[in-house]
Amino acid sequence: GQNIDQPTEMTATEGAIVQINCTYQTSGFNGLFWYQQHAGEAPTFLSYNVLDGLEEKGRFSSFLSRSKGYSYLLLKELQMKDSASYLCAVRDPRNNDYKLSFGAGTTVTVRA
Amino acid sequence: GAVVSQHPSWVICKSGTSVKIECRSLDFQATTMFWYRQFPKQSLMLMATSNEGSKATYEQGVEKDKFLINHASLTLSTLTVTSAHPEDSSFYICSARQGRYEQYFGPGTRLTVT
Repeated sequence: GQNIDQPTEMTATEGAIVQINCTYQTSGFNGLFWYQQHAGEAPTFLSYNVLDGLEEKGRFSSFLSRSKGYSYLLLKELQMKDSASYLCAVRDPRNNDYKLSFGAGTTVTVRA
Repeated sequence: GAVVSQHPSWVICKSGTSVKIECRSLDFQATTMFWYRQFPKQSLMLMATSNEGSKATYEQGVEKDKFLINHASLTLSTLTVTSAHPEDSSFYICSARQGRYEQYFGPGTRLTVT
């Protein structure tokens, strides 16, 4: 089965840093994705990790430890527009479909 | 590149009627498309995996006779919600996979059944 956990909500101040953790226990693993989703919209791709370590892309960074089944998304220099839900998703390589299993999402609220 | 469209973006229908939602990959060929459903304040739940030219694979608990999926070409997949009921009201999102890697999501279709 697939079990992906992330906190439900986080609040931070504009300009600050927030770290969203994600732990997973899945039958198969072929990469971990982070998506941003604003209310009423489809998810947009933020980052992808398949090897251990940190991937940095502008204000957003993502880290993966496969041995620990753990990832985090780091948002720096928070802006009001970063208020959204952040979804952690694990890709399953079985059956060549490469399905994604999503966590419940973390709602980040950025306050002025 | 890698744009996925959905049509309609929102639809209201009466209970008992059927609704068809289209998902198109505009600038690439998608061998696999995925259909998700998302209820308010919940995450995306995979409903089915659709491969071009073959029958869709449904996730456990999803009624294949109620949610008909047709992947007629490498750029088009359709989801038909048959005999819709108010509990089917949800946000339906498709995604298309190019090659082995990243999925590209459509903008979603909000279905309201009255």
